[in-house]
Amino acid sequence: KQEVTQIPAALSVPEGENLVLNCSFTDSAIYNLQWFRQDPGKGLTSLLLIQSSQREQTSGRLNASLDKSSGRSTLYIAASQPGDSATYLCAVQGGSEKLVFGKGMKLTVNP
Amino acid sequence: SQTIHQWPATLVQPVGSPLSLECTVEGTSNPNLYWYRQAAGRGLQLLFYSVGIGQISSEVPQNLSASRPQDRQFILSSKKLLLSDSGFYLCAWDPRVLSGNTIYFGEGSWLTVV
Repeated sequence: KQEVTQIPAALSVPEGENLVLNCSFTDSAIYNLQWFRQDPGKGLTSLLLIQSSQREQTSGRLNASLDKSSGRSTLYIAASQPGDSATYLCAVQGGSEKLVFGKGMKLTVNP
Repeated sequence: SQTIHQWPATLVQPVGSPLSLECTVEGTSNPNLYWYRQAAGRGLQLLFYSVGIGQISSEVPQNLSASRPQDRQFILSSKKLLLSDSGFYLCAWDPRVLSGNTIYFGEGSWLTVV
């Protein structure tokens, strides 16, 4: 059974720092891995999707990498801003087509 | 463009009352549809998913049921709510292609059972 872990559960940093968010998964037989952002009381918004054949994806100040063999992904946020404060979730999709989510990491960027 | 609508946004219901949450997707056809629940400290839990009309798979035994009466409509129901049914319910869809496509979420429905 696939399990996705995100550590730490919460992070508070000053504005301007470069951040690395970690995600690990137990079963490396995945089709893709996705990173989502969730604002309080809202639905999830997709940030980046990495297919299993890819090593990384970039969007603006965000860069996500995938090491499928070791079961790890990182989300890199450059020059963090208060507007980046949210909960970040990673999820993997395997052969069953269903996404398995981590519990998320709550990020607070202080001005 | 595709959109997903989910309602109601907020609901307060007494224990033992029925529940109906609705979700519709526009701008696509034959999507996979999902119901997730997010409870504090427990992350996002998949409740039901559907690959077609009338085809529902349940992930966990529970007090809830789901139906897909039309291609782009997904309904979450309960005949008698429990306190433990409280949570944030999210509907989602994806275009049924395994790789290279993301999943899209609705804005969620807050359910408080009192």
